Amino acid sequence: GQQVMQIPQYQHVQEGEDFTTYCNSSTTLSNIQWYKQRPGGHPVFLIQLVKSGEVKKQKRLTFQFGEAKKNSSLHITATQTTDVGTYFCAGYYGGATNKLIFGTGTLLAVQP
Amino acid sequence: AAGVIQSPRHLIKEKRETATLKCYPIPRHDTVYWYQQGPGQDPQFLISFYEKMQSDKGSIPDRFSAQQFSDYHSELNMSSLELGDSALYFCASSLGSMGQLGNTGELFFGEGSRLTVL
Repeated sequence: GQQVMQIPQYQHVQEGEDFTTYCNSSTTLSNIQWYKQRPGGHPVFLIQLVKSGEVKKQKRLTFQFGEAKKNSSLHITATQTTDVGTYFCAGYYGGATNKLIFGTGTLLAVQP
Repeated sequence: AAGVIQSPRHLIKEKRETATLKCYPIPRHDTVYWYQQGPGQDPQFLISFYEKMQSDKGSIPDRFSAQQFSDYHSELNMSSLELGDSALYFCASSLGSMGQLGNTGELFFGEGSRLTVL
């Protein structure tokens, strides 16, 4: 079946350090999205990547979509305490499907 | 701006009881998705609706059913509740289904309904 895995499960960093989470799908994706969920909150959309090899930046966040469209990464430069939360990638497989398959998520803790 | 509204926010039920969760999508959004999230887990897709028709189905138990009404709001009905059904249930909405041309793909999530089964 369609599965989306993320590593690491948990990352603890000092404020100002960089952070990267990696996402891998068992099969080729049509596109991939990234969401952030604060503790006690709901998932909030960050970005969507569609093209093979695509790279997008949002201030300190850099998102990449692999050439084979099976993996993706999110890199945060110089983390801040406001970056705390769980980061999920979510894959869309296209065709007749109408759902996003969420990855296992990476919980980011930032120590001031 | 109007967001996705879910009700109730919290409910407590006994085993074997029934529960109904409601979701009001963002105005003009025609697609609704239901997800179940256990503690420390990722959101698991249950079911989606586009234009009042079921558009995809995931790991939704046979004890659960859902529908989307003419005003686009959706309800998730859960019967014969089990302890394992305790979770946070999210509804999300979007304008257009995921595969539609021009769809930005973004899902807007509600605050969730926390179900506790005792």
